[in-house]
Amino acid sequence: GESVGLHLPTLSVQEGDNSIINCAYSNSASDYFIWYKQESGKGPQFIIDIRSNMDKRQGQRVTVLLNKTVKHLSLQIAATQPGDSAVYFCAENISGGSYIPTFGRGTSLIVHP
Amino acid sequence: ETGVTQSPTHLIKTRGQQVTLRCSSQSGHNTVSWYQQALGQGPQFIFQYYREEENGRGNFPPRFSGLQFPNYSSELNVNALELDDSALYLCASRPTGSNTGELFFGEGSRLTVL
Repeated sequence: GESVGLHLPTLSVQEGDNSIINCAYSNSASDYFIWYKQESGKGPQFIIDIRSNMDKRQGQRVTVLLNKTVKHLSLQIAATQPGDSAVYFCAENISGGSYIPTFGRGTSLIVHP
Repeated sequence: ETGVTQSPTHLIKTRGQQVTLRCSSQSGHNTVSWYQQALGQGPQFIFQYYREEENGRGNFPPRFSGLQFPNYSSELNVNALELDDSALYLCASRPTGSNTGELFFGEGSRLTVL
């Protein structure tokens, strides 16, 4: 969830563990969601997307789950590696428009070797 | 590599000055958008250009303006800089005809306003 001030929500895991990053979205009209990864000093990088007609989508080592009833997304990363350390953002869109996403505040994932 | 390059990477300005940030995207990416990312926050949408026309704008004042050029480059201009304008400014592009919302981001221009 959100936290006040400059402190991002943080998830610390051990290398090899599975990570689950959660996101609550605000607009019930949003029907397309994207997860981005932002490493230090870089721009956000696309990880995976999901449309509202699905509740689960899998990629390489990542799975996104969507619960429209409670407006909640999660990103699961299997066998987390040190290279997964980054800030993860969920972004919500209303499709059929100009694909202008609204980004959440982000969660910092720290993977300990 | 996303194929999106931004310049300058870092710059320092004083309050009241003007700044121009530049972005170059890949050939075939004719949608470009600009985002402001304050420390510890997610990117906030400023505006988007498609074929050199602005076709979306976020909650930013008119002193934030932009241009897109036929050669897939674009500019963000900010006039009358304020201290709160200090942030990372990100440029992102989308391929022509894309049916996904995937954005290709540059590494950003970090602006500090003193």
